[in-house]
Amino acid sequence: GAVVSQHPSRVICKSGTSVKIECRSLDFQATTMFWYRQFPKKSLMLMATSNEGSKATYEQGVEKDKFLINHASLTLSTLTVTSAHPEDSSFYICSASSRFAGPSSYNEQFFGPGTRLTVL
Amino acid sequence: DQQVKQNSPSLSVQEGRISILNCDYTNSMFDYFLWYKKYPAEGPTFLISISSIKDKNEDGRFTVFLNKSAKHLSLHIVPSQPGDSAVYFCAASSQGGSEKLVFGKGTKLTVNP
Repeated sequence: GAVVSQHPSRVICKSGTSVKIECRSLDFQATTMFWYRQFPKKSLMLMATSNEGSKATYEQGVEKDKFLINHASLTLSTLTVTSAHPEDSSFYICSASSRFAGPSSYNEQFFGPGTRLTVL
Repeated sequence: DQQVKQNSPSLSVQEGRISILNCDYTNSMFDYFLWYKKYPAEGPTFLISISSIKDKNEDGRFTVFLNKSAKHLSLHIVPSQPGDSAVYFCAASSQGGSEKLVFGKGTKLTVNP
């Protein structure tokens, strides 16, 4: 199946610093990438949807200026958590979608392994 | 307002028996449903899906049933294996081309040897 990678897998940073997380589709071109956040024992919450070359669409309640998303190419999207604070500590997961990447006709999403962010 | 609900946070079954994971949804616009399997500190892995035009989809040991009138779907795993132990998420999507998925909170399945 299609492979999506995330880097870094874990990051620990001091409060007030910015952290960049990369999401790459390794063997297919992703027309759309999604960023999710998961709190302990909670569901995956969609943060934003990004299409290559256009601005991301953020879900209600997600601060655009805090969570900067860039989808510069069909294989790379980045999430930058600006001025991170302890409450931003979470597990961030990206997914990538392409009509031609999966066995079904649906634009199946393939998920990355996630990034554990800890803000001290 | 939770549009996709998995009311059982955990389920424990014996190896070889059937595992049944349930999911309910409230949004009648959802027309595509997916099940994902997730291990700790990993991203979800796609398992099986079903379109609203069907009421059953089978793939090996995994079968998903959809009851549109009840807005309910279930995932059956038979026979269950210890390697199936993971958190299972139900997700739903509606037409519109956004491919946005709405996830339930997940059910932790433990298959005992």
